[in-house]
Amino acid sequence: AQSVTQPDIHITVSEGASLELRCNYSYGATPYLFWYVQSPGQGLQLLLKYFSGDTLVQGIKGFEAEFKRSQSSFNLRKPSVHWSDAAEYFCAVYMEYGNKLVFGAGTILRVKS
Amino acid sequence: SQTIHQWPATLVQPVGSPLSLECTVEGTSNPNLYWYRQAAGRGLQLLFYSVGIGQISSEVPQNLSASRPQDRQFILSSKKLLLSDSGFYLCAWSLQGLLGYGYTFGSGTRLTVV
Repeated sequence: AQSVTQPDIHITVSEGASLELRCNYSYGATPYLFWYVQSPGQGLQLLLKYFSGDTLVQGIKGFEAEFKRSQSSFNLRKPSVHWSDAAEYFCAVYMEYGNKLVFGAGTILRVKS
Repeated sequence: SQTIHQWPATLVQPVGSPLSLECTVEGTSNPNLYWYRQAAGRGLQLLFYSVGIGQISSEVPQNLSASRPQDRQFILSSKKLLLSDSGFYLCAWSLQGLLGYGYTFGSGTRLTVV
């Protein structure tokens, strides 16, 4: 069965520092992968997605993610974090049956000034 | 453009009372519709999804039910709420066969059962 693991429940970084949020997936075929962000009390916003082609994908708000098939990973990165990036981040993999997204447990990002 | 509306934004209900949360989508037709629940620190759990009017699939056995009386309307219900039903409920939609759009989420309903 498809699954998504986000090993880090909480991450704290200083403003201006680089960021990497980890995501590992389990899926038998080529995965469709997504990253979403959720500000407190809000719905989820799509940051970026990977379907095929270039393994480095660019998203909104300066985020990027790299698909590594050999490591079954799809880590999210940002070169310089802003205080407004503090939020919860979810990785997700598409499950063909039922056209469903399976989400990881999320990583809460805290930004120190 | 497509929009998704979810209401109410917050709700406090006593144990044993009924529940009805509504979600509507505008600007598209025949969407896939989803209800997720987000309990504190527990990520997103898919509760129900629907690929058409009257077609509901349940992911987990629970105290809740869902209905889709119209193409762009998705309702989450309960006859008698439990304390464990508290959480943040999110509705989402996607285009059938066009995964490139991903999911679009509503702004959520914070349900507190007291």
